[in-house]
Amino acid sequence: AQKITQTQPGMFVQEKEAVTLDCTYDTSDQSYGLFWYKQPSSGEMIFLIYQGSYDEQNATEGRYSLNFQKARKSANLVISASQLGDSAMYFCAMREGLYSGYSTLTFGKGTMLLVSP
Amino acid sequence: DTAVSQTPKYLVTQMGNDKSIKCEQNLGHDTMYWYKQDSKKFLKIMFSYNNKELIINETVPNRFSPKSPDKAHLNLHINSLELGDSAVYFCASSGTRSSTGELFFGEGSRLTVL
Repeated sequence: AQKITQTQPGMFVQEKEAVTLDCTYDTSDQSYGLFWYKQPSSGEMIFLIYQGSYDEQNATEGRYSLNFQKARKSANLVISASQLGDSAMYFCAMREGLYSGYSTLTFGKGTMLLVSP
Repeated sequence: DTAVSQTPKYLVTQMGNDKSIKCEQNLGHDTMYWYKQDSKKFLKIMFSYNNKELIINETVPNRFSPKSPDKAHLNLHINSLELGDSAVYFCASSGTRSSTGELFFGEGSRLTVL
């Protein structure tokens, strides 16, 4: 079973509008972390935002916010006021067992976001 | 200063050859990783080292051999390259003292096997 599911292969949004990128996850751990990364066409991986499983508030970083719904096991990324430079591939990722030893990030398949003028 | 640097950025080689990719991080992190990104952009963990010790070794052909001479370096050597090895290989690092455990990635090394 996939641990991270991103159901939207591609999304289109107009400049200045908000967009939500979906992410659902599967884990039996109580302690885990959820991440979003951006990969522009230049190829580098850019960390955007983090949400811990025990965090009660939704994480926010500038125009990025993470809509964390623990019971639904979803961690959607919301980008407000989209800009042309937001056009990129976006990956949701999870780190399980935060306090139980070493673990890696498991990534979803990504969502390609295109922002039009 | 680049935090996680990989060399080379591009590598084009023939099937059957042996090649290496080097990675260095100057963040003081104690854990380093190799990820493979395939043509469909899927990122998959290959190896993880903590303080020079191999801690995660996913199902990867034994033609791939990581080596960590010290905790700031993690190199990847690939023997007998095959067409299916063509991909972008990302090195990353993280610090156990970080509250989030986010990964810092290098710029990637694009390997093309002809």
